[in-house]
Amino acid sequence: GAGVSQSPRYKVTKRGQDVALRCDPISGHVSLYWYRQALGQGPEFLTYFNYEAQQDKSGLPNDRFSAERPEGSISTLTIQRTEQRDSAMYRCASSLGGGLAGVSDTQYFGPGTRLTVL
Amino acid sequence: ILNVEQSPQSLHVQEGDSTNFTCSFPSSNFYALHWYRWETAKSPEALFVMTLNGDEKKKGQISATLNTKEGYSYLYIKGSQPEDSATYLCAPAYSGAGSYQLTFGKGTKLSVIP
Repeated sequence: GAGVSQSPRYKVTKRGQDVALRCDPISGHVSLYWYRQALGQGPEFLTYFNYEAQQDKSGLPNDRFSAERPEGSISTLTIQRTEQRDSAMYRCASSLGGGLAGVSDTQYFGPGTRLTVL
Repeated sequence: ILNVEQSPQSLHVQEGDSTNFTCSFPSSNFYALHWYRWETAKSPEALFVMTLNGDEKKKGQISATLNTKEGYSYLYIKGSQPEDSATYLCAPAYSGAGSYQLTFGKGTKLSVIP
């Protein structure tokens, strides 16, 4: 079956522009996570959705970052007024269960969006 | 900020050698531990999720153990092959109000020399 997909795969933008990154989780997966991954490092948690509810956004670095999952499926991570320090790989992952059940389920990662801010 | 430590940071082994590495994490409020295999330029690939103290999981020649009381997990690779070359990441999760995140370690980078 289809895995987690993300688009675009690569995004180059100029400092100050807004970007929107899309994640399409595995069908039927309740939990959706966004991570940021610097070169050579493990993923760093950004935010978590249980269906359409954003239940944990403690990892969002500042208020320029926001995310939504309005119908409990596709999610969008938006970065406003991008800065060079935002350059990274942005990955999403999904898991079948919700809440703590989702945390103990396998998380399936998407291919990521490589964001470069010039 | 959780302190998740993986050691060694990197290692090189000969093809056919067995190897193991460690993930250490705080034990308080522990809920689950994930192991991932990650090749650069690819997505992290899930290996195991473990929750119970004393858990042992196996997938092919790779196995893992979990000690939740002292906060560590070992990953073992028996008879390493060049295709096992990757970075192995561990990520614990904790129970607690509003806590749904995995905290990843920096990984152990394994290179298997043919």
